[in-house]
Amino acid sequence: KQEVTQIPAALSVPEGENLVLNCSFTDSAIYNLQWFRQDPGKGLTSLLLIQSSQREQTSGRLNASLDKSSGRSTLYIAASQPGDSATYLCASGAGSYQLTFGKGTKLSVIP
Amino acid sequence: EAQVTQNPRYLITVTGKKLTVTCSQNMNHEYMSWYRQDPGLGLRQIYYSMNVEVTDKGDVPEGYKVSRKEKRNFPLILESPSPNQTSLYFCASSLGGRISTDTQYFGPGTRLTVL
Repeated sequence: KQEVTQIPAALSVPEGENLVLNCSFTDSAIYNLQWFRQDPGKGLTSLLLIQSSQREQTSGRLNASLDKSSGRSTLYIAASQPGDSATYLCASGAGSYQLTFGKGTKLSVIP
Repeated sequence: EAQVTQNPRYLITVTGKKLTVTCSQNMNHEYMSWYRQDPGLGLRQIYYSMNVEVTDKGDVPEGYKVSRKEKRNFPLILESPSPNQTSLYFCASSLGGRISTDTQYFGPGTRLTVL
């Protein structure tokens, strides 16, 4: 059964810093790797989806990479802003119809 | 506006009193799913539906029922709620059945407390 791990559970950085969030998964036979953002009291917002045949995806200041062989994905956030403060979750497509989520990294960007 | 809506957003109930949490999407999505989110356990899938009248169990289906009579609606039914079903519930949808390529859209969540 797929397991998805995110380390660290929490991260605090000063505004303007570049940062990397990590995600690891146990089964490399994934369909995709998705990154979501969750704000307190709200639902999840999809940030980036990397298909298994891709190595990375970019959207604005966000860049996500996927290395299936090592079972890792990273989310790079450039020039962090206080508005980036949220919990970031990664999820792997464990099958055609299911996602397995990590427990998330809570990011705080200090002004 | 494209969205997934859930009702109610907050609910406090008592053990054994049947309840339904509704989920509706206006994007003509085929795939819909229910998750629960608990501290320390993360998001876990309860049930999913690939299309009308087609549903299947996720990782934690015990104590829940679902139905998919219309494409836009996917209600979650707790026939006899128990305190261990106190949780934050999310409904999600995506365009096609293959979530390998389709972005998941999430509802705002329903916070359920069972006393």
